[in-house]
Amino acid sequence: EVQLLESGGDLVQPGESLRLSCAASGFSLSSFAINWVRQAPGKGLEWVSDISASGGSTHNADSVKGRFTISRDNSKNTVFLQMDSLRREDTAIYYCATTVATPGAFDLWGQGTLVTVSS
Amino acid sequence: SYKLTQPPSVSVSPGQTARITCSGDALPKQYAYWYRQKPGQAPVVVVYKNTERPSGIPERFSGSGSGTTVTLTISGVQAEDEADYYCQSADNSGVYIVFGGGTKLTV
Repeated sequence: EVQLLESGGDLVQPGESLRLSCAASGFSLSSFAINWVRQAPGKGLEWVSDISASGGSTHNADSVKGRFTISRDNSKNTVFLQMDSLRREDTAIYYCATTVATPGAFDLWGQGTLVTVSS
Repeated sequence: SYKLTQPPSVSVSPGQTARITCSGDALPKQYAYWYRQKPGQAPVVVVYKNTERPSGIPERFSGSGSGTTVTLTISGVQAEDEADYYCQSADNSGVYIVFGGGTKLTV
């Protein structure tokens, strides 16, 4: 079965760092651009970051620019989101998502990993 | 930064037609996508490229657009359609992805 699996979510204090992972199961991630999308408790979806299939192009939302870094290791079939200088407002479920069969749409999502930033 | 605007809530009775709008200045230039999200679940795409329906999505889901507004229409709404619905598109550059604020559909 084709799946994305996020991991690395945790409870951290403001100002600390955390690295999330998005691993692929059942297919090779190396052919796909990957996005991170987050959802704060009781709130809507917010696109966070994306990375091209090769890793040569990345983009970040203004809300995380300069603090979050997306990267990938295609040999490990994994994409990472390095989150530094975390703020309380970064508290959310973080999903990774990609386009597999539905042109332009995020049609494959992971189950999400919860990041809580609190003192 | 670029924003997509949706009504916070829409309420319909079973069998009626629900229409959820999404407005944004770049919509005449960029495709829109619609997602359904039920509590505790990841989103599922129900319309892509403004009007296309993925396989497995019921025919009662359709998308349309005119100018700076796109619309998700659910005909013959069923109780199982109760969920949050999000539009998604990109800014004028096509680089930055944006989601609308979401619309809670109550049946």
